[in-house]
Amino acid sequence: GAVVSQHPSWVICKSGTSVKIECRSLDFQATTMFWYRQFPKQSLMLMATSNEGSKATYEQGVEKDKFLINHASLTLSTLTVTSAHPEDSSFYICSAVLAGGRTDTQYFGPGTRLTVL
Amino acid sequence: DAKTTQPPSMDCAEGRAANLPCNHSTISGNEYVYWYRQIHSQGPQYIIHGLKNNETNEMASLIITEDRKSSTLILPHATLRDTAVYYCIVHTNAGKSTFGDGTTLTVKP
Repeated sequence: GAVVSQHPSWVICKSGTSVKIECRSLDFQATTMFWYRQFPKQSLMLMATSNEGSKATYEQGVEKDKFLINHASLTLSTLTVTSAHPEDSSFYICSAVLAGGRTDTQYFGPGTRLTVL
Repeated sequence: DAKTTQPPSMDCAEGRAANLPCNHSTISGNEYVYWYRQIHSQGPQYIIHGLKNNETNEMASLIITEDRKSSTLILPHATLRDTAVYYCIVHTNAGKSTFGDGTTLTVKP
């Protein structure tokens, strides 16, 4: 149980294009999803907290107009990297927290590797 | 949320117990200790969590000191597949997670 998927698993795009990454909780409902970014040989950096039906909360230094987050249902959150540039190349990981659960254990997706040429 | 300190790396012989320490001296009374691990190029995997009592599940045991300022994750019989970066995180049930650099555990044959 508690499986989270991400799609696509990897994507290569040209500079200036937009890329959408989907995060789905497959067998549970998630009121909260988190989006992280991880550069090579570094730890995960929290980008934003996504709550179903409300606006995402972005961490300091993360541009909300560049990284659009939509959490339209209890099983789906999307991250759109708009006008991507090479410096946006990274490993993007989402996590989901079980709705109504006793604790805030995070269940992570497998990650999406974005390469911007 | 409280910050944690972990050794950057550890080695362990296959079949032996791996004991990974974590210091969280500024932990608050309502903050939980969570452990996750990340195998190369994959998303992190939940291992175990606790508040103040020791916990055990099919993957590991978590020992939390009485003052809650430190904890130890124990993998009782490490295998090569346990080689990963292990993250110790503390946060409240409503809090977001701040990942530090973790401990890179290398299990050697």
